[in-house]
Amino acid sequence: DIQMTQSPSSLSASVGDRVTLTCRASQDISDYLAWYQQRPGKVPRLLIFAASTLQPGVPSRFSGSGSGTDFTLTISSLQPEDVATYYCQNFKSVSWAFGQGTRVDIK
Amino acid sequence: EVQLLQSGGGLVQPGGSLRLSCAASGFTFVDYAMTWVRQSPGKGLEWVSSISGRGTTTFYADSVRGRFSISRDNSKNTMFLQMNNLRADDTAVYYCAKYYASGTFYPFDSWGQGTLVTVSS
Repeated sequence: DIQMTQSPSSLSASVGDRVTLTCRASQDISDYLAWYQQRPGKVPRLLIFAASTLQPGVPSRFSGSGSGTDFTLTISSLQPEDVATYYCQNFKSVSWAFGQGTRVDIK
Repeated sequence: EVQLLQSGGGLVQPGGSLRLSCAASGFTFVDYAMTWVRQSPGKGLEWVSSISGRGTTTFYADSVRGRFSISRDNSKNTMFLQMNNLRADDTAVYYCAKYYASGTFYPFDSWGQGTLVTVSS
């Protein structure tokens, strides 16, 4: 099975900061990578599809990049409503594996 | 608007059974594979099981294979998860979700509200 590893496990940043989250796949998954946001107590929300395609309604401060095994999710200017746990997911293999998540807080 | 309304769940003893339901609306149900994802308290997301649009193909995580059974009734736009021989480590919030597009090599773009399953004596 393909394993997904996210780093860091948590981070704290100030409003307006640029924040970068990393996701690594244990083998090449091309661009079969999605990012989800889960705010505290809420349902997961699909943010990015195919490594870099923003879903409708997602603010443009979010961006995704990468291909193969290494991927990043960047928030260009952190806002209070971005406090959440972010998960990457591989959808190339049958296991549809998620990373363990990165928790983002406001400093 | 896509809506996924879940029902079922609750408290069950170890070894017991439970059936979850997910009623869909706002899209052509038969055209989309569907899935179940769970989240143990304070933990991350874990994919559990998926089913193709016509229900002919199913997939299971190793942790539930042989104990859980996924199915769907396309005449009622509803998906089910039959959970048997439940264990304490099955305790989680269970989400149903819809695939982004026709087929299964896609992420999950719409989610149900979640339902808590607690396995405890």
